[in-house]
Amino acid sequence: EPEVTQTPSHQVTQMGQEVILRCVPISNHLYFYWYRQILGQKVEFLVSFYNNEISEKSEIFDDQFSVERPDGSNFTLKIRSTKLEDSAMYFCASSPVGQGFDEQYFGPGTRLTVT
Amino acid sequence: AQTVTQSQPEMSVQEAETVTLSCTYDTSENNYYLFWYKQPPSRQMILVIRQEAYKQQNATENRFSVNFQKAAKSFSLKISDSQLGDTAMYFCAFADDKIIFGKGTRLHILP
Repeated sequence: EPEVTQTPSHQVTQMGQEVILRCVPISNHLYFYWYRQILGQKVEFLVSFYNNEISEKSEIFDDQFSVERPDGSNFTLKIRSTKLEDSAMYFCASSPVGQGFDEQYFGPGTRLTVT
Repeated sequence: AQTVTQSQPEMSVQEAETVTLSCTYDTSENNYYLFWYKQPPSRQMILVIRQEAYKQQNATENRFSVNFQKAAKSFSLKISDSQLGDTAMYFCAFADDKIIFGKGTRLHILP
């Protein structure tokens, strides 16, 4: 069964450093998402991406964040200058159809630790 | 704005018992999807069950079923014959163009 993959599974970085989290969505999906879950809290929407552009973003997704689909398979989340409060689990998701009318398939997550 | 409320932060039940997790949501939309996700200690998000709002019939997936009350905006999850492997965090979620999650219910299945 096709699945969303994410690398790395765990990333440790120092405050102020740039990090890139990578995701490979399911190949025939068209909509891509990033979510964040701070330890012990609920999962929060960050951004959705369709047709090579951001379709929606949350208040969390400020200028420090960016997303890119550099080729036909990868979908990346970049944090330009990490802060301690960026420590969280980051989930990538993809769906064949957007606007909530289909299941979003979640990746296993990348645990980001900022020290 | 859509909101999802899970009023039970934590629950414990004995193995083989039935347990119901509550969820309410608020929306002005008429057509949407609702989901229950399971997050085990590995922290992966696993879809348990989903319900299309336009379908009156409650969704069922093996031991998991929902009680969807559209007018009341309620979407509870029932787990029958609970198993130790059901121990996890359970998130109720509402979807329009993104998924909005509740705060979760931590479920412990006791041997």
